[in-house]
Amino acid sequence: GEDVEQSLFLSVREGDSSVINCTYTDSSSTYLYWYKQEPGAGLQLLTYIFSNMDMKQDQRLTVLLNKKDKHLSLRIADTQTGDSAIYFCAESDIMNRDDKIIFGKGTRLHILP
Amino acid sequence: DADVTQTPRNRITKTGKRIMLECSQTKGHDRMYWYRQDPGLGLRLIYYSFDVKDINKGEISDGYSVSRQAQAKFSLSLESAIPNQTALYFCAIGLGTGDTGELFFGEGSRLTVL
Repeated sequence: GEDVEQSLFLSVREGDSSVINCTYTDSSSTYLYWYKQEPGAGLQLLTYIFSNMDMKQDQRLTVLLNKKDKHLSLRIADTQTGDSAIYFCAESDIMNRDDKIIFGKGTRLHILP
Repeated sequence: DADVTQTPRNRITKTGKRIMLECSQTKGHDRMYWYRQDPGLGLRLIYYSFDVKDINKGEISDGYSVSRQAQAKFSLSLESAIPNQTALYFCAIGLGTGDTGELFFGEGSRLTVL
């Protein structure tokens, strides 16, 4: 079946940039997403990118999509303590999998002082 | 009011007991989902429903059942709970095809089976 892979942990110093990477297997992905889960809370959509785009920027967030390599990344500029959370990469394939979204295992971002 | 409300938020039960987790939504979305989250395993889909008459199994449906009582309500049942069903359970809702596919999640129900 289709799969989404991401590393489990990332540590970054406050003020530096964080880059969280993700790879996926479905070549027919429609949308790719980044969700954020803060402690004790559910997941919230952080940003998403349509599969025909290469890049999307939203304030401190930059999403890069390399469709050829099936690689998605999330860059958080000027990382703050409030960015400490678990970040989930996810993808959907509306044509072949209707609306079942597949999630990665999540990357826990730890901010160092 | 929250868009997606889950009850109970925390529950401790014993092996063999029947447990129901409830989910209600105020956004009027057709699509509702139940996921479980385990450390290091991420989110896994248990069941999903595209409308009141449409229920589908996810990747880990064994040991679980669901009921879509109304468009706004989707409950998850464990008929005979076992310890490896100890997890954080999330209900999510979505708009579906034609939309970006964004899911809105509840705050989770933490279940401990002793």
